[in-house]
Parts: sequence; structure tokens; C-alpha cells
Amino acid sequence: VPLVQSGAEVKKPGASVRISCKGSRSTFTSFYLHWVRQAPGQGLEWMGFISPTGDSTTYAQKFRDRVIMTRDTPASTVYMELTSLRSDDAAVYYCTASSGYYISDYWGQGTQVTVSS
Amino acid sequence: DIQMTQSPLSLSASVGDRVTITCQASQDISNYLNWFQQKPGKAPKLLIYDASNLETGVPSRFSGSGSGTHFTFTISSLQPEDIATYFCHQYDNLPLTFGQGTRLEIK
Repeated sequence: VPLVQSGAEVKKPGASVRISCKGSRSTFTSFYLHWVRQAPGQGLEWMGFISPTGDSTTYAQKFRDRVIMTRDTPASTVYMELTSLRSDDAAVYYCTASSGYYISDYWGQGTQVTVSS
Repeated sequence: DIQMTQSPLSLSASVGDRVTITCQASQDISNYLNWFQQKPGKAPKLLIYDASNLETGVPSRFSGSGSGTHFTFTISSLQPEDIATYFCHQYDNLPLTFGQGTRLEIK
């Protein structure tokens, strides 16, 4: 399940960022798409997922007020928007696909988000 | 939230050494645990799933064991290409959580 993410972003504090993750048409609708981020030199942090059909999302409590995950099934693309960016949102954001509520071995290449005034 | 505590957080070993990393869950997670390897600038790579099953294509020097709250990841004979950070990941309950990571270096 190759996943290709959009390019690096530089945002100001308070702004929003929207990252895309494109998969292959033949398998895309079978997978949950999770988002995981990694701050510089830090560990992995799960943000949430969107269901295979795109009709439901589950977000980590920490991000519930600021994250929106959407799915464009015909385009085999999912989007993750994070609003009200802060300096500690600077991280590499990964999309990752699995067939359930777990992280598996299908990852995008990562998208670097820099938050700086 | 289920907390995953890895130890050690860093480890230096020689080529050919046996290396062991542990992961302790804050509550019983049965065998719902994966181990990942991450090299600098790369996405994590799944090595072990369901605590003890080797992912297809992963060398047999990697292994995992454990259930409940205590888990072990082992490299039977360390190779230079194993230099990376290793993470455990529980999927028994949402939110999904990870250990802090163990940075493995060659002595």
C-alpha cells in the first residue's frame, strides 16, 4: 500500500496546516488511515484515524478540538488538518494504513511541518 | 491511556552481541503489541506483530516475546545495519500508544 504525502509546510503560530496522503485506488478503501506525528528527537504520537469508508473518525483526546481528518475516496486521498498551530506542533507527520485499530507497516514518507513566526 | 515504558532508552553494543529491549505496559494488553525499527529520516518499519510474530521479510535474528504487561524484543546477533531506534506500540486500547523508543548504537 504505497502512500505518498504532500510536501513540507512552514506555518505561523495560530495558522492551520492541511496534509494529504494519497494511496492506490485498488486497496485504499480497505484500510483505516491513521496519523502519527514525531517531534524532533522525540517518540511517536498517535493522532487518530479515519475509517475505510470515511464515514467515521476517532481522534486522540489531545487533538480532538484541533484536528479534522477527511477522505476523498474517488481520489484515494485522505487529509489531515491541524488548526491553531503552536510551536510544539512542529514535527514530522506520517499517514499510515492498517486494516484495524493498530499501526502496521504501510507508511507515507512523512511531511515536515515547521511552525515559526 | 495505556503507558508503555521501554528500557533502556539507549544502548551501546558490539557487532555480534545479543541485545534485549523491554517494554512494560501500565495494564494488561494481552499480546496486542508491535515492535518497530526506525532509522534516521525514515518512517518506522514493522518488525514484530502480535508480540512474537516476525513480519514477512524481517531477518530471523529479530524476535519478540511476552504477554500481559511485560514484553521483550531481542536481536540475537547485532549487525551494523541494526543501528536504529526501536519502539514498542500497544493496540489493545485506544488511544494507541508507543514506548519512548530505545536508541541502539554500535560500541
